[in-house]
Order: sequence, then C-alpha cells, then structure tokens
Amino acid sequence: DIVMTQPPLSLPVTPGEPASISCRSSQSLLYSNGNNYLDWYLQRPGQSPQLLIYLGSYRASGVPDRFSGSGSGTDFTLTISRVEAGDVGIYYCMQALQTPYTFGQGTKLEIK
Amino acid sequence: QVQLQESGPGLVKPSETLSLTCTVSGDSITSNHWSWIRQSPEKGLEWIAYLYPGGAPKYNPSFQSRVVISRDTSKSHLYLRIASVTAADTAVYYCARTTVQGSTDVWGQGALVTVSS
Repeated sequence: DIVMTQPPLSLPVTPGEPASISCRSSQSLLYSNGNNYLDWYLQRPGQSPQLLIYLGSYRASGVPDRFSGSGSGTDFTLTISRVEAGDVGIYYCMQALQTPYTFGQGTKLEIK
Repeated sequence: QVQLQESGPGLVKPSETLSLTCTVSGDSITSNHWSWIRQSPEKGLEWIAYLYPGGAPKYNPSFQSRVVISRDTSKSHLYLRIASVTAADTAVYYCARTTVQGSTDVWGQGALVTVSS
C-alpha cells in the first residue's frame, strides 16, 4: 500500500495569514498521463470530509480560490492564501493512484 | 443535488455481521464509482471498497475476506456487510461517490457503528 505522511499534526495560524500543509507519498503519484493522483479533503468539526483539490491542483466545485494545490511525484502542498475562521478543521491528503486508496493522518488547522 | 444517507444498526455484537445501507438520491448508482470509507480514532480514514458503474466490486485487501458490497439499482441503494466484527471495526462508516479519477466528491453524513457486547 502507498503510505501517506502529513507533518505536522497541528498547525496554528493567524487569521488573514497564509498557511501551507504538506503531504508526502511513499511512491510517486504521477501517472503516465501527466496527472498526479492526489486529493485534498477538509473535515470540519462534526462534519464529513469534503473534497477541496483533486488531481493535485484542481479546485473542486465551490471551493474558494484561496485554496490551491501544488506539487508532483511524492511531495505535495495545500496552500491557503488567507486563512479564515471557517477554515478550521482537519486537512487530509489521499492518493488515488492505486487501490487501496490511502489517506494521510491529517493536519489540524487551528486559529491562534 | 446528490445526497447520500447511511442507515443501519448503531450497535453490533462481536463476531456478528455489520450491515449498512446507503440511499442515493440525485444521481444514478450505475454512473461513477460508489465507495465505502470508514473513520476511527485509531486508524483514521480507511478506504474499504467501491463498486464500479457496472456493479463489480473492488475491495481493500485488508478487508476482502470479511467484506461484501453490493447494490440494488431499482432502489438506488448501496450495501455494506462486514462479517465477524471485532471492537476494531468500531468506526463512522461513510458511503461516498468517487469519480473515475478516484476523487471522492460527495460524502454521506456517516453512520457510527459500535461493536460491543
């Protein structure tokens, strides 16, 4: 199975400031078609996860452009350009290159 | 608007079978993949299985010997069964829609299942 790693487990951020969340995979998620099969999800407190970014850098429908995804191969980053209070929750990366799909352990975004 | 709703017993005894139903509205379950995913404090998010549009299942090998997923297209229902459960199967179980690229873009609200005598 592909192992997904997300350091750190917790990220305190000041509202209005940017935030970056990292994700690393144990093997390359870059497929021969040029796509990176890496998604980002946000799970707000008490809610189900929601898709933010798919294929490494494409925003899902309705996701504000404050959120962006970057990276390729084994190293990926989710960037929030200006953090808002409603962004708190746990951010997960997930690889969809091969089954079983696997998730990182999550990074908890907290407001300072 | 696509909506998914899980239902089933919230308490299952050890060694028995966990059974959940997912009711899908707003989309056809013969389109896209339809996944079951669970979440526990111990193991985090775990992908269990999905159904291909044609109805064939794809399982996580970690579960394959105990898990069966299926569907009833006439009812727009998806089904999850896990046999011989233990306390380690205590989790919130989600059904979800997964695109052909593997992205899970619609999630149910989740159903908490506790395994306990």
